[in-house]
Amino acid sequence: AQRVTQPEKLLSVFKGAPVELKCNYSYSGSPELFWYVQYSRQRLQLLLRHISRESIKGFTADLNKGETSFHLKKPFAQEEDSAMYYCGGGSYIPTFGRGTSLIVHP
Amino acid sequence: DVKVTQSSRYLVKRTGEKVFLECVQDMDHENMFWYRQDPGLGLRLIYFSYDVKMKEKGDIPEGYSVSREKKERFSLILESASTNQTSMYLCASSLGGNNSPLHFGNGTRLTVT
Repeated sequence: AQRVTQPEKLLSVFKGAPVELKCNYSYSGSPELFWYVQYSRQRLQLLLRHISRESIKGFTADLNKGETSFHLKKPFAQEEDSAMYYCGGGSYIPTFGRGTSLIVHP
Repeated sequence: DVKVTQSSRYLVKRTGEKVFLECVQDMDHENMFWYRQDPGLGLRLIYFSYDVKMKEKGDIPEGYSVSREKKERFSLILESASTNQTSMYLCASSLGGNNSPLHFGNGTRLTVT
């Protein structure tokens, strides 16, 4: 069974500070991992997927199989990054962490 | 761009009422899902479907049922609404296959009084 854990409910930083939102997983096979973001009053949307290895809105996420982690990082946070972030895994039965609320203060 | 449409943004129902939440997607996706979103609990899977007339229970199916008579439409049914079903309900779809991300609707905020 797939399991995704986000240990932080809330992350509060100042504009320009680095951000790391943690995600850990436990998988029986090859992991399929995604980060989703929900801005205020908007729908939940895909931010990153692990197979793409891309940077979206300055965010990156690297799959670390040794640590079973898929942390989301951004070197310099912006106020518009304030949102709810969910780490999700699996395409057969997609499961999610509990979400981390990121607040970026001016 | 995939569009997942949930018929109602807000609903207020009374305890014991039968409630229908409708979801339609326009990209011929195989898979459809219903989640409920609660603060501190994240997204919890209620039911999902991989094909027309097929359904499988998720993590919290009690008190819910679903219907998928057409590929594009996936309905969530609360047979007898209770106050603990007050929540945000999210519908999602995906193409299927490996590494297919979910596409979400705007959500339905259901209040049961």
